[in-house]
Amino acid sequence: AQKVTQAQTEISVVEKEDVTLDCVYETRDTTYYLFWYKQPPSGELVFLIRRNSFDEQNEISGRYSWNFQKSTSSFNFTITASQVVDSAVYFCALSENQAGTALIFGKGTTLSVSS
Amino acid sequence: GAVVSQHPSRVICKSGTSVKIECRSLDFQATTMFWYRQFPKQSLMLMATSNEGSKATYEQGVEKDKFLINHASLTLSTLTVTSAHPEDSSFYICSARDRQGLKAFFGQGTRLTVV
Repeated sequence: AQKVTQAQTEISVVEKEDVTLDCVYETRDTTYYLFWYKQPPSGELVFLIRRNSFDEQNEISGRYSWNFQKSTSSFNFTITASQVVDSAVYFCALSENQAGTALIFGKGTTLSVSS
Repeated sequence: GAVVSQHPSRVICKSGTSVKIECRSLDFQATTMFWYRQFPKQSLMLMATSNEGSKATYEQGVEKDKFLINHASLTLSTLTVTSAHPEDSSFYICSARDRQGLKAFFGQGTRLTVV
């Protein structure tokens, strides 16, 4: 069975601090996708990244970066120089590599960035 | 890019009544759509997988007679909460994946309040 664990329930930082959100996953599939979504108070999910299990290269997008390590089944997300607008709930998700399969979500990490 | 539109965004209904939530894929055909439920400060829990032209597949613990799903076309899936109770109050989100299974698109969500 697939499972996503986000052990950090809540994280509070001060603006300009760097913060890393952890994600550990379990799957028996050899091919799968990992996702990160941001959910602001409005509730709408904002897509951040999708990573194929074959691609272990780390990725950077502006202040965001992701560290995918297959050996430890982790897909951690780092926000550099955090800002108040980064305050939200962040979800890590996992799915099989097929169109007809749903994403399985972790419990989410609530990030609060204060000024 | 592809968009999934969900309507209504908010609905308040009386106990005992039924509420229908629509989920439309706007510029792609979705043979499979997914319905999630999210309680406050909790994760997105998969309720059911909606397949065009066939019966939906429900996750364990989800009452199929209470949460009626219809996927009559390749662009529309509906979730009807029948005989709603206050405990059905929640945030419901639909999702669809593209044919290649590379992307997952989410609706804006529907906040249901049963009074």
